[in-house]
Amino acid sequence: EIVMTQSPATLSVSPGESATLSCRASQSVSSSLAWYQQKPGQAPRLLIYGASTRATGIPARFSGSGSGTEFTLTISSLHSEDFAVYYCQPYNNWPPGVTFGQGTKVQIK
Amino acid sequence: EVQLLESGGDLVQPGGSLRLSCAVSGLTFSSHAMAWVRQAPGKGLEWVSAITGSGGSTYYADSVKGRFTISRDNSKNTLYLQMNGLRVEDTALYYCAKDERLNAFYGLLDYWGQGTLVTVSS
Repeated sequence: EIVMTQSPATLSVSPGESATLSCRASQSVSSSLAWYQQKPGQAPRLLIYGASTRATGIPARFSGSGSGTEFTLTISSLHSEDFAVYYCQPYNNWPPGVTFGQGTKVQIK
Repeated sequence: EVQLLESGGDLVQPGGSLRLSCAVSGLTFSSHAMAWVRQAPGKGLEWVSAITGSGGSTYYADSVKGRFTISRDNSKNTLYLQMNGLRVEDTALYYCAKDERLNAFYGLLDYWGQGTLVTVSS
């Protein structure tokens, strides 16, 4: 089973600033890495897939990078609606299954 | 517009059973694998189970293997999760989610429902 480790657990950022979230996989997942955003009381929403491709309707201030075992989600110029928990998740695994990172909470500083 | 609507969550005693449903609209349901993901109160996301578009292959997390059964009725555009032998630690909000790829389970979940709450307590 692939273990995903996200850091930091909590990130305090002021609106307008940028945020950098990290995700590390216990073994290579190539570029098969997704990021999800979850706001309080809402379902998760797909943000990024293929490590760097934004999902439909996701603003350009969200960008992803990395491959193999090290990945980064960057949110430039944080808006109020961006304060949420972000999860990374590898896909296209064998045997089939899904594991999520423990999440990074981005909160208002 | 793709919509997923879960139902069936309830308060149940330890050892009890429950069947969750997820009604799907806005897509060719039988073409896509589907999954259940749960979230315990105040915790992160945990994948529970998945099923291919045809229903021919199913997959489970170790934590629910042998107790939960995933199924689907493609004529009704509905996904199910039969949960037996429920434990306190199964208490969670259960989401159904659609796989982005066709037929096989790829694990990229591009649409999610709003969840249904399962509480296991005596």
